[in-house]
Amino acid sequence: SQKIEQNSEALNIQEGKTATLTCNYTNYSPAYLQWYRQDPGRGPVFLLLIRENEKEKRKERLKVTFDTTLKQSLFHITASQPADSATYLCALSFSGGYNKLIFGAGTRLAVHP
Amino acid sequence: SQTIHQWPATLVQPVGSPLSLECTVEGTSNPNLYWYRQAAGRGLQLLFYSVGIGQISSEVPQNLSASRPQDRQFILSSKKLLLSDSGFYLCAWKVGDGVINSPLHFGNGTRLTVT
Repeated sequence: SQKIEQNSEALNIQEGKTATLTCNYTNYSPAYLQWYRQDPGRGPVFLLLIRENEKEKRKERLKVTFDTTLKQSLFHITASQPADSATYLCALSFSGGYNKLIFGAGTRLAVHP
Repeated sequence: SQTIHQWPATLVQPVGSPLSLECTVEGTSNPNLYWYRQAAGRGLQLLFYSVGIGQISSEVPQNLSASRPQDRQFILSSKKLLLSDSGFYLCAWKVGDGVINSPLHFGNGTRLTVT
């Protein structure tokens, strides 16, 4: 069965540093991968989407990489700020199941001043 | 612009009671609609999705059902709640009509506690 893994432990970093979050998957032939931000008690908010044939995507301080050989995506936040503290979820949609988006459990990021 | 409404925000129900959670979307037509559940400290579990009126795909066999009586209305129901039904229920929509790589837009969720 399909499985998406994200670090369950919280990531604590200092303000101004780059945060890097990892998303690994198994048994997928993904069509595209998405990253979402979730604040406590709220629904997730879409951040970035990257297709299987793309290696990297950027949006302001955010960067996503997608390595289909390693079955891994990395999510980077540069010049991190305390306001970036949240849980970040990766999600996959796979060929033959485009209407379904399967989520990882998320990684909590805490940025300290 | 598109908006999604989900209610109620919180709900406390006894075991064995029925459930009805409603979700409506405004500002778009023929969206794909989704129900997810999130247990405390866990990821989002896809429960149901719908690509059109009356079309429901169930992902996890369980005590719940979903219906889509109108294009932009999605309802999650149960006849008899179990303790294990407690969780954070999220409704979401995305562009339909076969558009592949559009993101999900979530409501603010319903926190359900079954006592």
